[in-house]
Amino acid sequence: KAGVTQTPRYLIKTRGQQVTLSCSPISGHRSVSWYQQTPGQGLQFLFEYFSETQRNKGNFPGRFSGRQFSNSRSEMNVSTLELGDSALYLCASSEGTGRPGGYTFGSGTRLTVV
Amino acid sequence: DAKTTQPPSMDCAEGRAANLPCNHSTISGNEYVYWYRQIHSQGPQYIIHGLKNNETNEMASLIITEDRKSSTLILPHATLRDTAVYYCIVRVEYGNKLVFGAGTILRVKS
Repeated sequence: KAGVTQTPRYLIKTRGQQVTLSCSPISGHRSVSWYQQTPGQGLQFLFEYFSETQRNKGNFPGRFSGRQFSNSRSEMNVSTLELGDSALYLCASSEGTGRPGGYTFGSGTRLTVV
Repeated sequence: DAKTTQPPSMDCAEGRAANLPCNHSTISGNEYVYWYRQIHSQGPQYIIHGLKNNETNEMASLIITEDRKSSTLILPHATLRDTAVYYCIVRVEYGNKLVFGAGTILRVKS
């Protein structure tokens, strides 16, 4: 069973640009969640998508957005990049039914904003 | 979501059991205790979860106190590859987000 695939693994962008990150969940999983990890703030929840709808949202500015496609693949977009957006962005896949069980995380995309 | 408190770091000798404590004194009746770990530069890895009863799987055991205010993750025979940050999380039964704390850095030494 293939795991969670995140692309690209590494990305360097300039302040003010925008970026799109991709996440392909485990086959059959309908929920994709996104997390940001920085040395200062740790792992923080961004948002969760289930069946193409945003179901849950963390406390991030509107520059952070996402979407989910009919095949459950998800993308997150960050517009007008700031230096503080440099982080490891992780996505997690689950069945999405809310039943107890683990999320499976991808290896992440490391974004550096210069 | 209830908050958790973990020691910032712990050391363990290779081959010995690693016992990682977690306090979650404000846990609600419908909240599960989850454990994840993160090895450097990788995504977090699910280890185990439980509600009231002790749980065991191929990776670890989870011991939850009767009042559910604390728990202990046990790695029975720690190896160098178990060196990681271990996160204890409480999650509502039908909640769909994980709230991570700072975790415990476990260093397994030969």
